[in-house]
Amino acid sequence: GAVVSQHPSWVICKSGTSVKIECRSLDFQATTMFWYRQFPKQSLMLMATSNEGSKATYEQGVEKDKFLINHASLTLSTLTVTSAHPEDSSFYICSAEGRGKETQYFGPGTRLLVL
Amino acid sequence: AQSVAQPEDQVNVAEGNPLTVKCTYSVSGNPYLFWYVQYPNRGLQFLLKYITGDNLVKGSYGFEAEFNKSQTSFHLKKPSALVSDSALYFCAVRAYNTDKLIFGTGTRLQVFP
Repeated sequence: GAVVSQHPSWVICKSGTSVKIECRSLDFQATTMFWYRQFPKQSLMLMATSNEGSKATYEQGVEKDKFLINHASLTLSTLTVTSAHPEDSSFYICSAEGRGKETQYFGPGTRLLVL
Repeated sequence: AQSVAQPEDQVNVAEGNPLTVKCTYSVSGNPYLFWYVQYPNRGLQFLLKYITGDNLVKGSYGFEAEFNKSQTSFHLKKPSALVSDSALYFCAVRAYNTDKLIFGTGTRLQVFP
């Protein structure tokens, strides 16, 4: 149980384009989903927290117009990197938390490369 | 301020030997403590957690961790390491009544045959 998927697993795009990453909880309802960014050989940096049906809460320093988050249902959240630039290249990981709110379960990650 | 420290960037262990990956924390109130493992180019896999109760927590793949309130530590242990345990291990803490996890910097475990 507690499986979280992400799609795509990797994406290469041109500078200036937008990229959408999906995060799904496959066998539980995720009342809260989280989006993280991880740089090589570094820890995870929380970007934003989203609750189903409400606006995401962004961490300090994260541009909400740059990283659009939508949590449309209890099993799906999306992160859209708008007008991507090479500095947005990174490993993006989502996690999901159920109604018990005790444990975050993580997706396998999406590697984004912006050329 | 809440924080998690993993003092070792890397831990090297011979296969079959016991392993310990250290974690200390600083948080207000009673902590929720977690260990996750990350294999190359993958997300994090949940290993175990401490919320309340017995200080010794048993988790996946034979791992266990001991919560020590006086030392504010939550070290990860395994009696007999396997080469397949080689990965990046993250300790995380969540303060009571918040959703956010605070992660340590990670410890790379290398198990040699």
